[in-house]
Amino acid sequence: AQTVTQSQPEMSVQEAETVTLSCTYDTSESDYYLFWYKQPPSRQMILVIRQEAYKQQNATENRFSVNFQKAAKSFSLKISDSQLGDAAMYFCASQGGSEKLVFGKGTKLTVNP
Amino acid sequence: DTGVSQDPRHKITKRGQNVTFRCDPISEHNRLYWYRQTLGQGPEFLTYFQNEAQLEKSRLLSDRFSAERPKGSFSTLEIQRTEQGDSAMYLCASSDRGEKLFFGSGTQLSVL
Repeated sequence: AQTVTQSQPEMSVQEAETVTLSCTYDTSESDYYLFWYKQPPSRQMILVIRQEAYKQQNATENRFSVNFQKAAKSFSLKISDSQLGDAAMYFCASQGGSEKLVFGKGTKLTVNP
Repeated sequence: DTGVSQDPRHKITKRGQNVTFRCDPISEHNRLYWYRQTLGQGPEFLTYFQNEAQLEKSRLLSDRFSAERPKGSFSTLEIQRTEQGDSAMYLCASSDRGEKLFFGSGTQLSVL
């Protein structure tokens, strides 16, 4: 079974600053994928970034990057130059062995002007 | 590309009634997924279709739940004899290769 744990229910950051959201996971699969999804108040889940576990290089998408520590089963998301539009719920998720995504409970990010 | 469309956006029903939700995926996507999200939680997987075939079902999908995708295009999710515990956001997503899921805005179900 896969589990995903997000230990920070809420985080806040000043506009233009950097924030890191934490995620740990557990899986028995040797081949798996990790994701960060953003859910704004509109409730539509939006993919932020995707990491293939077999790749050592950390994924990057513009201001968003991850720190993937495979041995520690850690997958944190760094948001640089935070913008007001980044305010949302952020969910970490894993996928391995099937089409099912397993999500964490989420971290609510507030961006202060 | 109009994205994943879900109907209705909101549904209020009385306990014991049947409800049906519809999902229209992105047209060229052959994979379709249903998830359920309760307040303060992340989405939980319910079921997955590839074309018209239902290939994976969660144990969360009790006998009162049924999903169909008859022609490999739109999908319906029916809940029979609704219970208060069924109150949740029901999310639909679609994908062409499973690498990136595109979600709809969900159907919020309230069972009174």
